[in-house]
Order: sequence, then structure tokens, then C-alpha cells
Amino acid sequence: DTGVSQDPRHKITKRGQNVTFRCDPISEHNRLYWYRQTLGQGPEFLTYFQNEAQLEKSRLLSDRFSAERPKGSFSTLEIQRTEQGDSAMYLCASSPRDRSFYGYTFGSGTRLTVV
Amino acid sequence: AQSVTQLDSQVPVFEEAPVELRCNYSSSVSVYLFWYVQYPNQGLQLLLKYLSGSTLVKGINGFEAEFNKSQTSFHLRKPSVHISDTAEYFCASWGTASKLTFGTGTRLQVTL
Repeated sequence: DTGVSQDPRHKITKRGQNVTFRCDPISEHNRLYWYRQTLGQGPEFLTYFQNEAQLEKSRLLSDRFSAERPKGSFSTLEIQRTEQGDSAMYLCASSPRDRSFYGYTFGSGTRLTVV
Repeated sequence: AQSVTQLDSQVPVFEEAPVELRCNYSSSVSVYLFWYVQYPNQGLQLLLKYLSGSTLVKGINGFEAEFNKSQTSFHLRKPSVHISDTAEYFCASWGTASKLTFGTGTRLQVTL
């Protein structure tokens, strides 16, 4: 069990550029979650997958955001035409489907800074 | 919808003193409750959870929490804190939304 891995750890981008983050969950976990955390706030839910199916998306996930989990393993989160308000920590977490209520295992996050 | 409220944004405390971080939940249905800790520039680590059964829950690093249904609270306590406990602590709930909903966090600052 290598835990949940996120790449990159830090990303600085210019406003208007596109960025993509990757998350590798714990291998036997079929649920994968994306959260966003802005400075001084708790994590806010963005979306989650069960295997390759995206089951729920928050209204925070504007049309500039897209997430995929093509083979039910790793996931990517893409932000197009980044804005300064997108600056945040993006957290990925995973859990087994039948034990999701036991809590998630989080990755270390990707910190995005839009300049 | 369920939610959690963390009543203190910051809690300063001296090393070896006891500490309590407060959390109230709001839900008309059964909830599962959690405390997570976040060290600077890190993800979240699960401290403890309440699912059912005994209302006193023990977690890692000497922390414990008590589920109080009548007061809708789930306060986190530690009898003697260390400098290394300095971090952000988040209360979270899991209920009908089938996902974790977090509070705004409490910054625990331990000083000598």
C-alpha cells in the first residue's frame, strides 16, 4: 500500500493557461474523490468516481474543469483557461466503495498558484 | 443537508496543557463523524472516527473525541499537547450526501 499519490506537488501557471493534475489512488480502492481547499478553508467537494464512472459533480466544478478516470485507476483533473481564483490546494482521496463511510485516504495534494 | 461547524478558528495553547477543539454537527439523520489533521503543505490524515457504539472514541497521537447526540457535538480533546501537534484540525461528517463534508478548520498553535 503506497498510499494516494498526486502529481505535481506544486504548479505555478500564468492566467489563461491550462493545467492538468494526476492522482493515483490506492490500488484496491474503487472510489476516487477530488476536493479543493482554499486558504483558511476546509476542503470542498468537487467530484467523485466509482471505478471509471463519474457519479457526482459539485456546482463548484465549472465548465472549465474536467475530470476523468478512464480505466478506473488513476484520475486527472484539468483546468482550462485558469483564473487567479483557481489558486488552491487540490486534494485527491480514495476509498473502497463499501467502506467509504470509514473515511478516505488523502494524497498530499497539488498546490496551484495562478499568476 | 448535514454540516459541521467548528467554533474556533484558532486555539493557542502551551505545551503539556490540555486542549479541546469544538465541533458541532447538524443533521436530522444518523451521521458518521471524523477528525482529520493537516500539517503544513500536506494532505489530510485521519485522527479518529465515530461510526456507532461507544461515544468515546480514541484515535492516533493521544487524541480522543466524544460523540454527544443531545448536544450534537463531537469535540476533540488531548490531555497534554506537544509542539508537534501544531497543525490545522478539521471536523467532518458523512451522511445522506454520501461524501465527507468538512468544517472550516481550527488552527492549533502549541507554544513553549
